Amino acid sequence: QVQLQESGPGLVKPSETLSLTCTVSGGSISSNYWSWIRQSPGKGLEWIGYIYYSGSTNYNPSLKSRVTISVHTSKNQFSQFSLKLSSVTAADTAVYYCAREYSSSWGYWYFDLWGRGTLVTVSS
Amino acid sequence: SYELTQPPSVSVSPGQTARITCSGDALAKTYAYWYQQKSGQAPVLVIYDDSKRPSGIPERFSGSSSGTMATLTISGAQVEDEADYYCYSTDSTGNHRVFGGGTKLTVL
Repeated sequence: QVQLQESGPGLVKPSETLSLTCTVSGGSISSNYWSWIRQSPGKGLEWIGYIYYSGSTNYNPSLKSRVTISVHTSKNQFSQFSLKLSSVTAADTAVYYCAREYSSSWGYWYFDLWGRGTLVTVSS
Repeated sequence: SYELTQPPSVSVSPGQTARITCSGDALAKTYAYWYQQKSGQAPVLVIYDDSKRPSGIPERFSGSSSGTMATLTISGAQVEDEADYYCYSTDSTGNHRVFGGGTKLTVL
């Protein structure tokens, strides 16, 4: 059974770079898109971007200039993909989720598996 | 940028039917998906491809779509259905993923 787990610092200083990793266990990272999604306190869900297992990426236009998503394959049972968000401010304080995308029979991608999320606070 | 619009809140009594709408231009060409998020938890998919229900989701959850509007219907809403519900889709290019602003469903 595939599981996703986010990890990384829970506190980041303003102007620094937020770095998170999503560990994929119990399955392969191949043949799927893998996304990062965030949710500011009391707010809605915001898609940050995705990476395909081959390495191609696509980002939310509102965050594109500050976001980098990378994939790290492994020969053992674990694979990882990561998020870097630069020049953070208090507005970037949120719960960050990693998620697997699945293609429906019509070829549209949606999130079928989520991590539990990790809270990142931006504060000095 | 592409947007999906949902009502901020919907309130029903237990056993009544709750309907949550989601509007967006690209819905005429793409599919709608619905996520349920209970307090402190990750979202859970309850409807995909406009109207299909994943295994394990109660039959009282259904979805429909017409033109630029999709609707999530909960027939005979239960207290445990109280949650935030988000519609999701892609823009017309299929490249960008978009969530609606979310609807808080109150069942009491």
